[in-house]
Amino acid sequence: NAGVTQTPKFQVLKTGQSMTLQCAQDMNHNSMYWYRQDPGMGLRLIYYSASEGTTDKGEVPNGYNVSRLNKREFSLRLESAAPSQTSVYFCASSAVMNTEAFFGQGTRLTVV
Amino acid sequence: DAKTTQPPSMDCAEGRAANLPCNHSTISGNEYVYWYRQIHSQGPQYIIHGLKNNETNEMASLIITEDRKSSTLILPHATLRDTAVYYCIVFSGNTPLVFGKGTRLSVIA
Repeated sequence: NAGVTQTPKFQVLKTGQSMTLQCAQDMNHNSMYWYRQDPGMGLRLIYYSASEGTTDKGEVPNGYNVSRLNKREFSLRLESAAPSQTSVYFCASSAVMNTEAFFGQGTRLTVV
Repeated sequence: DAKTTQPPSMDCAEGRAANLPCNHSTISGNEYVYWYRQIHSQGPQYIIHGLKNNETNEMASLIITEDRKSSTLILPHATLRDTAVYYCIVFSGNTPLVFGKGTRLSVIA
């Protein structure tokens, strides 16, 4: 029973490089989310997808793009990484928007 | 969604009840109170939620005041593994969860 799976778990990028963070859920959930958490801070919402085929900006969308590939998968892309994007990234899913959310274990990204 | 206020940190002796308060004086009639916790650097974990009535599950109890302007999360017998940051979130479900800074609970042996 995997729940929400994020890959990779760790990544180091050079400034200007691009990469895609992958997220997949096996709970048949409609809604999926991407958050970032900087050291000592709370989680901030980057983008979310209320249902397959829709995506919306959260609090801190600049520098990111997302794709809801299908109902299971929601990816986050950094087109040109910057040191300010060094953070832990969490993906989450919920059956619908107003039900409990389940979180992945995070991707720890360092941009040097 | 309504804003919440939580103390930044609390201590609790192991085996005692941990009572974590949350103020949400601007809560609307259709907004729920949700509690999550984050242990060390793991992903947040759902604990419990409620609308008006008190709720209990295998992890915790949630007490909501009659005017719904505040609530208390109760961990009945805290263990060292309950050391975490606890987030109280009020939302209606029309927009995603927005996390504040939470309360850092330290359970002490």
